[in-house]
Amino acid sequence: AQSVTQLGSHVSVSEGALVLLRCNYSSSVPPYLFWYVQYPNQGLQLLLKYTTGATLVKGINGFEAEFKKSETSFHLTKPSAHMSDAAEYFCAVTRWGNTGKLIFGQGTTLQVKP
Amino acid sequence: DVKVTQSSRYLVKRTGEKVFLECVQDMDHENMFWYRQDPGLGLRLIYFSYDVKMKEKGDIPEGYSVSREKKERFSLILESASTNQTSMYLCASSETNTEAFFGQGTRLTVV
Repeated sequence: AQSVTQLGSHVSVSEGALVLLRCNYSSSVPPYLFWYVQYPNQGLQLLLKYTTGATLVKGINGFEAEFKKSETSFHLTKPSAHMSDAAEYFCAVTRWGNTGKLIFGQGTTLQVKP
Repeated sequence: DVKVTQSSRYLVKRTGEKVFLECVQDMDHENMFWYRQDPGLGLRLIYFSYDVKMKEKGDIPEGYSVSREKKERFSLILESASTNQTSMYLCASSETNTEAFFGQGTRLTVV
């Protein structure tokens, strides 16, 4: 069975500070991993994805994530937070055989303080 | 750009009504999905379809059905709406080995 755990339902940072959103997964097959962002009253937008190859993946808006198989983690980082980063972030793992069949974490709301 | 369009952003329906949520994608994707989003629970898969007239249950199919008569359109049906189906509903589409693209969501309130 596969599952995703996001540590911390709410994270608050100051503008300009490092953003770190944590995601741990369990999967019995090699995972495809995703981070999506949801702005208020919007759908989900893909930030970045890991499928195979390089374990450090870069996404949009300056975000990146590192796939660490030994730690079963896929944490999302951004060196310097911007006010526009305030949103809800979802980590997801795909089920075997179909990348649209996703198992999502509970979500982390990022607050950015001026 | 891929576009997934959900027909309504907000809906208010009465308990017991039959409710249709419509979703259209413009990228000829094989797969389409309906997810439900609730605070603290993330998104959960209700149903998905990998071809016209084909459907499979996801994790929470009870109280829902779906229809896919054309490749670009995937409908979610609440046969008899109940208050515990008040939620945000998100449609998505994908090819088999690419990421899912999501619509803007429909916020459904059942009163």
